[in-house]
Amino acid sequence: SQTIHQWPATLVQPVGSPLSLECTVEGTSNPNLYWYRQAAGRGLQLLFYSVGIGQISSEVPQNLSASRPQDRQFILSSKKLLLSDSGFYLCAWRGISGTSGGALGLEQFFGPGTRLTVL
Amino acid sequence: SQQGEEDPQALSIQEGENATMNCSYKTSINNLQWYRQNSGRGLVHLILIRSNEREKHSGRLRVTLDTSKKSSSLLITASRAADTASYFCATEQGGSEKLVFGKGTKLTVNP
Repeated sequence: SQTIHQWPATLVQPVGSPLSLECTVEGTSNPNLYWYRQAAGRGLQLLFYSVGIGQISSEVPQNLSASRPQDRQFILSSKKLLLSDSGFYLCAWRGISGTSGGALGLEQFFGPGTRLTVL
Repeated sequence: SQQGEEDPQALSIQEGENATMNCSYKTSINNLQWYRQNSGRGLVHLILIRSNEREKHSGRLRVTLDTSKKSSSLLITASRAADTASYFCATEQGGSEKLVFGKGTKLTVNP
């Protein structure tokens, strides 16, 4: 079965410090990978997605970046955090249609999230 | 930008009652999905309805889709306290590899 891991679970960082959040998926190959941010009481904002190693699509211009060094690894980074970067960061994966285990393969599977507080 | 907009933003009901949440969207879609999020956790997929489908059932869940009105509804029948969570609709447009989520409905089921 497929599993998705995110770490750390919580993080408190000072303004101007760097950031690295990691997401890994097990049990599947060549997944689509996604990074979302959720502000308190708000919906999900798609930040980046990747359909393959080294392929990153950015949805929102900001001081964050993403990388996919391996097939099942997705990293969210920042060189200098801003107060506005605080939020709940969620990683998700989706398989090629018909291969993710779901009936249609179009659903996304989410990790447990990382709560980031920038002070 | 947010494609889906859920209504109401918050809903409080008694155990055993039905809960109905609505979602409106702006552009044509391939499919619409509903997700559930318990507080402080990741999202869990509930049900997917394709653009050529009008209604779908899964256990106590019933989803309808009206593409002419660009709207969907999620009905949870015989609600339980454990159904307390936030519910999000998400739309996938044709040829897109991504979902666009709404802001969600926060459902509270009182025992």
